[in-house]
Amino acid sequence: EPEVTQTPSHQVTQMGQEVILRCVPISNHLYFYWYRQILGQKVEFLVSFYNNEISEKSEIFDDQFSVERPDGSNFTLKIRSTKLEDSAMYFCASVEGYEQFFGPGTRLTVL
Amino acid sequence: GESVGLHLPTLSVQEGDNSIINCAYSNSASDYFIWYKQESGKGPQFIIDIRSNMDKRQGQRVTVLLNKTVKHLSLQIAATQPGDSAVYFCAERNSGSARQLTFGSGTQLTVLP
Repeated sequence: EPEVTQTPSHQVTQMGQEVILRCVPISNHLYFYWYRQILGQKVEFLVSFYNNEISEKSEIFDDQFSVERPDGSNFTLKIRSTKLEDSAMYFCASVEGYEQFFGPGTRLTVL
Repeated sequence: GESVGLHLPTLSVQEGDNSIINCAYSNSASDYFIWYKQESGKGPQFIIDIRSNMDKRQGQRVTVLLNKTVKHLSLQIAATQPGDSAVYFCAERNSGSARQLTFGSGTQLTVLP
């Protein structure tokens, strides 16, 4: 069964450093999403991506964040200068019809 | 502001009993609702969904009920098993949104032996 994959599973970085979180969505899906979940809190929408551009973004998704689909398979989330409060699980999802399929997440720890 | 929330943060049930997890939503423009299961260290896993033109939908051992009058959503799990222990989230999609989901806080379901 096809699934969304994410790498790395855990990323530790120093405050101020750039990180790139990678996702491989399910191949025939067209909509892609990034969500984050701070430990013990709700899953929060960050950004949606369709047809190689951002279709919607939340107020969390500020200028420090960017997304890219550099090739036909990868979908990346970049945080330019990480802050302590960026520590969270980051989930990628891709959509078929109404259903969103989530990846296993990347745990980002900012020290 | 609009919000999706859960009535109870934790729920413990005996193995074999039925579980009911509740969710309140406040956005009357939402047209689609989903229940997700999240096990520790994993991403949300789709369980069942329901569109706003329905009031009940059944899956394998799970039933979702939607009451639009009181903006209430519930997930019923029949014959709860140890593998059902997880956090359960409801999520809603605003009919005017590009498929963005708004998640509730989650209910921790613990199945007791």
